[in-house]
Amino acid sequence: SQKIEQNSEALNIQEGKTATLTCNYTNYSPAYLQWYRQDPGRGPVFLLLIRENEKEKRKERLKVTFDTTLKQSLFHITASQPADSATYLCALEYSGYALNFGKGTSLLVTP
Amino acid sequence: EAGVAQSPRYKIIEKRQSVAFWCNPISGHATLYWYQQILGQGPKLLIQFQNNGVVDDSQLPKDRFSAERLKGVDSTLKIQPAKLEDSAVYLCASSGGPSEETQYFGPGTRLLVL
Repeated sequence: SQKIEQNSEALNIQEGKTATLTCNYTNYSPAYLQWYRQDPGRGPVFLLLIRENEKEKRKERLKVTFDTTLKQSLFHITASQPADSATYLCALEYSGYALNFGKGTSLLVTP
Repeated sequence: EAGVAQSPRYKIIEKRQSVAFWCNPISGHATLYWYQQILGQGPKLLIQFQNNGVVDDSQLPKDRFSAERLKGVDSTLKIQPAKLEDSAVYLCASSGGPSEETQYFGPGTRLLVL
C-alpha cells in the first residue's frame, strides 16, 4: 500500500539555522509533491509544489528537493525564525489532484 | 479574495447523534474536498467533488457519512450516527483555475463525540 513517512520526532532548532525536514514515500509514483504548513487550530496552507521532472524548487527562504529514485523529498527553511514554528505536511498527488498527506513534522524555532 | 468558509467551527455531540458541516469554497473553484484530520495525523481525504459530481469517495465510510454538493458550489458533510472515533477536525478545501493542483483549506470544524 502507499505510504508516506515524515520525521516522527519534533524538530527543535535555533533561530538563524537551517531546518531540514524529510518526506519518504513507498509504492508511489506521484506526478508532483507539495508541502503545506499548518498552525494549531488552522487549516493547512500551501507552500511549494515540485513536479516529478524537477529536482529542486525555491521560494524565498524555502527550498524543496525531489528525488524520484530515492523516493524522497527534502524541505529546507534557511535563516529560520521563531515565526516558522509550525507543523509541516508533505502531500503526494495520487489521482486527479487528490492528495495523500503524511503525518507532519512539528518544527520549533527558538530564539 | 475570500477564502474557504466552514461552519460551525466547533461541535460537541453525543454518540449516535447526527451532525452536519457546511463548506463554501473559493469562488470559481470547481473542485472541492473534504478531509478528516485526527489529532496527530495528517488530513485524510474523505470525498472529492468536481463541480457537483463525485470524483473519489473511496475512503468515505458510506454507512454513516454522506456528502453532497448541490449546484456545484456549497457542500455539506453529514455523519449519522456519530461514533466516538469520529472525533476529529473536518477540513474542507477547494482548488481550481490555473493552479488546479494547489488546494486552499478552510479553518476546519472541530468535532468532539462524547
